[in-house]
Amino acid sequence: GAGVSQSPSNKVTEKGKDVELRCDPISGHTALYWYRQRLGQGLEFLIYFQGNSAPDKSGLPSDRFSAERTGESVSTLTIQRTQQEDSAVYLCASSLGGGSRAGELFFGEGSRLTVL
Amino acid sequence: SQQGEEDPQALSIQEGENATMNCSYKTSINNLQWYRQNSGRGLVHLILIRSNEREKHSGRLRVTLDTSKKSSSLLITASRAADTASYFCATDTGRRALTFGSGTRLQVQP
Repeated sequence: GAGVSQSPSNKVTEKGKDVELRCDPISGHTALYWYRQRLGQGLEFLIYFQGNSAPDKSGLPSDRFSAERTGESVSTLTIQRTQQEDSAVYLCASSLGGGSRAGELFFGEGSRLTVL
Repeated sequence: SQQGEEDPQALSIQEGENATMNCSYKTSINNLQWYRQNSGRGLVHLILIRSNEREKHSGRLRVTLDTSKKSSSLLITASRAADTASYFCATDTGRRALTFGSGTRLQVQP
């Protein structure tokens, strides 16, 4: 597609359930990022994939959070046993390169997660 | 803690006025970027300034970078109601993903 696509756009779930959020980056972009944005706040880094390198998972807040990426395509962010504090917008972004060649990030519209 | 911090947190001005937002950061950078976010939407890249640049222009936007003070400013001239949004600075250290500040919420009154 022309831009970064995220699904679902909105997800309401009950506390304790697992959720999966999907990100389809721009074709050809080797780097993919997940950020979390709580209401009225800035972006909190979660995880970063760059090509075939090991992902940078240093931002994941707990072991309930995990993410996978298949090659240089789709990524899935999974949150297990959701808590109310997980309620936020989860933003995915991609870029042509990573590290010092990251350049401009292209963001999706986000997945808004509400945990009841 | 955040690498980049914007100041002020919120800014309200009249159409036609200039808006200035500041960003401070802590460690050395390769480049600094500014992004805009309309309410409920994703972020859109505005401008990138490299560590060896001091000033950059793009349309009504002017960005400055002072690496000795570890600070940057974004100036929007002749603001319009459509400029109402949150603005974020992001720093690229070359070692990991971009680190974003907490943003400045700009309200431009028509």
